[in-house]
This record gives sequence, structure tokens and C-alpha cells, in this order.
Amino acid sequence: DAKTTQPTSMDCAEGRAANLPCNHSTISGNEYVYWYRQIHSQGPQYIIHGLKNNETNEMASLIITEDRKSSTLILPHATLRDTAVYYCIVPRGGSNYKLTFGKGTLLTVNP
Amino acid sequence: ETGVTQTPRHLVMGMTNKKSLKCEQHLGHNAMYWYKQSAKKPLELMFVYNFKEQTENNSVPSRFSPECPNSSHLFLHLHTLQPEDSALYLCASSQDHGVGSEAFFGQGTRLTVV
Repeated sequence: DAKTTQPTSMDCAEGRAANLPCNHSTISGNEYVYWYRQIHSQGPQYIIHGLKNNETNEMASLIITEDRKSSTLILPHATLRDTAVYYCIVPRGGSNYKLTFGKGTLLTVNP
Repeated sequence: ETGVTQTPRHLVMGMTNKKSLKCEQHLGHNAMYWYKQSAKKPLELMFVYNFKEQTENNSVPSRFSPECPNSSHLFLHLHTLQPEDSALYLCASSQDHGVGSEAFFGQGTRLTVV
């Protein structure tokens, strides 16, 4: 997988936007950026993924820079239930596809 | 509820026991995965099955034996485990084993080896 770098932890006030950055400078042209999150002691939950264009769904928005070397996951109105570890993953493409999790970012949403 | 169901949710077993973890999905997915998450460590991919065929074994010790009888079911057979094998074991599935296919995870089986 392309190496990703995320901050170890972040804090966000409830109701405010949470912006989680991820660097993936070695990403290849056909590799997607995926975001998952894991609430304590639960299975990871898929959030969103993208290739080149910005993406939005009911959970979050994904902003990918033009050179694709970094991205930002945006939770527009964070709630206490969004406290979790957020993983940015860039799986290798083709037959070597593998979803490998790193340490992620622990986002703590404070009241 | 993700559509991926794991049983049991909790399991305590002795080092000489034999037990099995079960994973079931009715999402119509063709790829299934086993992950291990030890305390304060990242998730580790253990096995990948694509259309019932094992395509990845991430150097997992033979005391862990996977079985995929069909695309909807995945088992992890356990025997002569060690205390360090205590962890959260997670199953996941995806439409297929490839780019652009998001994975759905079960809630995991919390395994304690005594």
C-alpha cells in the first residue's frame, strides 16, 4: 500500500467541522484514497473513498489535492458519537489489492 | 448493522482447546477477510478469500486455519493457541477483491486465551 501519514490525535468541539488530514505522497495514478473509522471496540466502518475528484456522502466529504499527494476528510458537524480512530488508506491496485490499516488519527469530539 | 455477522461475540478458550469463529454475510459479496487486532496495535490482515479461493495468507501461524465453504460464510478454526493470540478478530467482506470496493466489517469476536 502507498504509505500514509496522519496525525496521532486531534480534538474538535461538538457541532464544529472536523478536518482530518492525510499525506500520501507516493500514491500512484490508479490508487484510491479510502477512509474508515473505528469506534472503540467495534469493527471499522467505511466512510468514503475517492480517486481524483472531491466526494461527498451523508457521512463526510473528501477533499483530494490536485496532485493527489494529500487529502482531507471533513465531518461537517461533529457529534460526540464521531469520537473514533480515523484511518486513511491507499490500497495497492490490481491483483495486489490489500486493505492495510495503520495507526490512524484518534479524533476526540468534546462537548 | 453492517450485514456482516460474527459469532460468538466473546470467547474464552484454553490453550489445548479447539474452537471456531464464524462469519456470515448476505450482501452478495465475493471477497471475505479475517483481521486480527491486538491491544493498542493496528489491525493486521490475516487471510483473504476471493470467490471462495484463498488469495492471501499474511504469514499466519498454522494454529489458525481458515475455511470458506461458500461466498457467504467464512470460518477461522483455532487450535493450540497461545495467550498472545488473545485479540479482537474481525471479519470483513467486499463486493470483490479490488480497487473501488469498500469493505464492511462485523463487530468482531473478542478472544481470550487462558
